[in-house]
Amino acid sequence: GAVVSQHPSWVICKSGTSVKIECRSLDFQATTMFWYRQFPKQSLMLMATSNEGSKATYEQGVEKDKFLINHASLTLSTLTVTSAHPEDSSFYICSASTTKGTGNQPQHFGDGTRLSIL
Amino acid sequence: GQNIDQPTEMTATEGAIVQINCTYQTSGFNGLFWYQQHAGEAPTFLSYNVLDGLEEKGRFSSFLSRSKGYSYLLLKELQMKDSASYLCAVRDGNYQLIWGAGTKLIIKP
Repeated sequence: GAVVSQHPSWVICKSGTSVKIECRSLDFQATTMFWYRQFPKQSLMLMATSNEGSKATYEQGVEKDKFLINHASLTLSTLTVTSAHPEDSSFYICSASTTKGTGNQPQHFGDGTRLSIL
Repeated sequence: GQNIDQPTEMTATEGAIVQINCTYQTSGFNGLFWYQQHAGEAPTFLSYNVLDGLEEKGRFSSFLSRSKGYSYLLLKELQMKDSASYLCAVRDGNYQLIWGAGTKLIIKP
């Protein structure tokens, strides 16, 4: 149980393109979804937290107009990287939880999206 | 500030036992998680501790001492597939999850 599907797994595109990444919880309802980015050999960096039906909460330093997050349902959240540039190239990972970050429920992670901007 | 420390890299031998330590300093505490992350893949949940003591789950065990701000992950009967990074994450007083940088574990035959 607790499967999170993230799509696409790999994107290569030209600078200036907008890229949408989908994160779906397949067998549970995700009250909260989290978006991370990870650079090589570094730890996870939380970008934003989204609760279904409300606006995402962005971490300090993350541009909300650059990284658009929509959590339209209890099973789907999307991250759109608008007008992507080479410095946005990274490994983006979503995770989902059945609680709003409380309790002993872990975050369940998608397989990640490797984004390369040329 | 909030801080989580774990060794950058460790090496162990197949069949042996290894202990990966994690120390933390956070504003409040609401649980500690251990995750495993293979190269190029997303993390997978291993264990959760919120009370002091040892939690055992098969070959993996996790220990917590809240008074010392300390946890360890113990891996027994190491297998080559255990080569991965192991991430310690602490949920602080605001229920924010603070991540360590991870410990890369290398298993040698």
